[in-house]
Amino acid sequence: DSGVTQTPKHLITATGQRVTLRCSPRSGDLSVYWYQQSLDQGLQFLIQYYNGEERAKGNILERFSAQQFPDLHSELNLSSLELGDSALYFCASSAEGYGYTFGSGTRLTVV
Amino acid sequence: QQQVKQSPQSLIVQKGGISIINCAYENTAFDYFPWYQQFPGKGPALLIAIRPDVSEKKEGRFTISFNKSAKQFSLHIMDSQPGDSATYFCALKEAGTASKLTFGTGTRLQVTL
Repeated sequence: DSGVTQTPKHLITATGQRVTLRCSPRSGDLSVYWYQQSLDQGLQFLIQYYNGEERAKGNILERFSAQQFPDLHSELNLSSLELGDSALYFCASSAEGYGYTFGSGTRLTVV
Repeated sequence: QQQVKQSPQSLIVQKGGISIINCAYENTAFDYFPWYQQFPGKGPALLIAIRPDVSEKKEGRFTISFNKSAKQFSLHIMDSQPGDSATYFCALKEAGTASKLTFGTGTRLQVTL
């Protein structure tokens, strides 16, 4: 157990739908990062939050949004889902921004 | 824009051999170079990391070699074992306030008996 909790582990949904992925960071970590990993692809940075505020943004689609709540957990919202959004979505957390700890991921399948 | 190029894409090494994975980066100043190991169905886990003021770091069978002038760094796995079979990612962190990591495309390592 890495200390970063992601739910759900698996999600199957239809095109056009909206889903919410949840991440609880490791205790004490203020930064949360979201990454997308498609089949045989690397880890694509989506967005970072630090203590409730957006810190950095990557190639995140406009259909995707995220937020970090006062208790530091974060949610990634994916809407108007397309087949190409099927991927593993990872959350990671860090204290000072050096050692990332990843969760086990949410596998999203859009059918 | 790909800031880090990782090679090879896949690697097969015999048990007991040395596995070498390379990464090259481009112009931006980076101050942290970690390597992550990922097993199927799991999240990446930090394996070893180096900062640019050091040319080599060793932890057990894993060594990072860093060449700042060439903008290259590599992971060496000595005495490779079947349990090392996984995907390995190099990463970079830009110096500055933003602490996000940029990852390489990954190397799938298979260690055969």
